[in-house]
Amino acid sequence: GESVGLHLPTLSVQEGDNSIINCAYSNSASDYFIWYKQESGKGPQFIIDIRSNMDKRQGQRVTVLLNKTVKHLSLQIAATQPGDSAVYFCAENYTGRRALTFGSGTRLQVQP
Amino acid sequence: EAGVTQFPSHSVIEKGQTVTLRCDPISGHDNLYWYRRVMGKEIKFLLHFVKESKQDESGMPNNRFLAERTGGTYSTLKVQPAELEDSGVYFCASSQVGGNTEAFFGQGTRLTVV
Repeated sequence: GESVGLHLPTLSVQEGDNSIINCAYSNSASDYFIWYKQESGKGPQFIIDIRSNMDKRQGQRVTVLLNKTVKHLSLQIAATQPGDSAVYFCAENYTGRRALTFGSGTRLQVQP
Repeated sequence: EAGVTQFPSHSVIEKGQTVTLRCDPISGHDNLYWYRRVMGKEIKFLLHFVKESKQDESGMPNNRFLAERTGGTYSTLKVQPAELEDSGVYFCASSQVGGNTEAFFGQGTRLTVV
């Protein structure tokens, strides 16, 4: 698998609890945001996205909140399961640029 | 349907050698991207192809890196000569054209330069 990020923030939660992973971005022009999940040895996997004209979007067990005023994005995972253990990245881009800018990632550890 | 595939999954080379990474995007995806994650830090953009054309190569670190996408299908990323700081995981992603569409990532190639 991939090497451990030496300075990766880690969130440890109990199975069944809710998890909240936060991300700050700096580009005020960013208008599209995505959360990715990366498990060891795999590439980033799309979880959920949100456009800047929204402040909340819900998926299955996941909710993304966007606060454009303070340039903050969060991912909420309900009833966290051991299979949710992974590194989570936020990513952003803006109209006219397809390349994604990734955040530094947060490691989620789910304790059984 | 096959996802984005990358080859090799691992590569260990000596400093100064050449390595070529390959990415096969999802069939029909005109957008192809290369990213890398070094030293366990954040994933950083390298470049973006639309079909065979380089749309954005602002993330390429230096001229030791050469990306090609002949025919607009698979892409290669060559590092020549490799340096120690090139070690990391190289990801390829592809997406359909039009607006902001989901990018699908490959499993990555772990490159170790010794």
